[in-house]
Amino acid sequence: AQKVTQAQTEISVVEKEDVTLDCVYETRDTTYYLFWYKQPPSGELVFLIRRNSFDEQNEISGRYSWNFQKSTSSFNFTITASQVVDSAVYFCALDTGANSKLTFGKGITLSVRP
Amino acid sequence: NAGVTQTPKFRVLKTGQSMTLLCAQDMNHEYMYWYRQDPGMGLRLIHYSVGEGTTAKGEVPDGYNVSRLKKQNFLLGLESAAPSQTSVYFCASSYWRTAGTRTYEQYFGPGTRLTVT
Repeated sequence: AQKVTQAQTEISVVEKEDVTLDCVYETRDTTYYLFWYKQPPSGELVFLIRRNSFDEQNEISGRYSWNFQKSTSSFNFTITASQVVDSAVYFCALDTGANSKLTFGKGITLSVRP
Repeated sequence: NAGVTQTPKFRVLKTGQSMTLLCAQDMNHEYMYWYRQDPGMGLRLIHYSVGEGTTAKGEVPDGYNVSRLKKQNFLLGLESAAPSQTSVYFCASSYWRTAGTRTYEQYFGPGTRLTVT
């Protein structure tokens, strides 16, 4: 069975601080995909990144970066120089099946204070 | 493109009432999904469809039914609503995943907030 654990439930930082959101996954499949989604206070879900199990290169997109480590089954997300607009719930998700079903973690609520 | 739309946005039901939530997508996606989001639980898959005329159960299917009569629409039905079905419901869609290759991100609708009293 697939499982995604986001052990941090709530994080609060002051603007301009760096913050890392942790994601640990479990699967027996050798081919799988990991995702991060953002859910701002308005409620919609916004896709941030997709990573497949064969690509362990870290990725950077502006202030966002992702660290994928198969050895520790982790796919962590770092926001550099956080901003108030980063305040949201962040979900990590795992896709292993043929029908692209996603298993979500419980989410991390990030609050960035001015 | 409107993307994924959901109707209605809000609804209040009394226990035992029935209703249907409509999801529509204009991206020609093969796959469609219904999730529910509850506080502290993340999103959990209710039912999904890999193509017109096909449906399958997800993680929490009890109390729900679905239909996919047209490729662009995916309906979620509650035959006899219960307070435990109070939740935010999200519909999502994605392209068909070619076996052994890449997968695609899911595009989500804005959600439907359902309260059952």
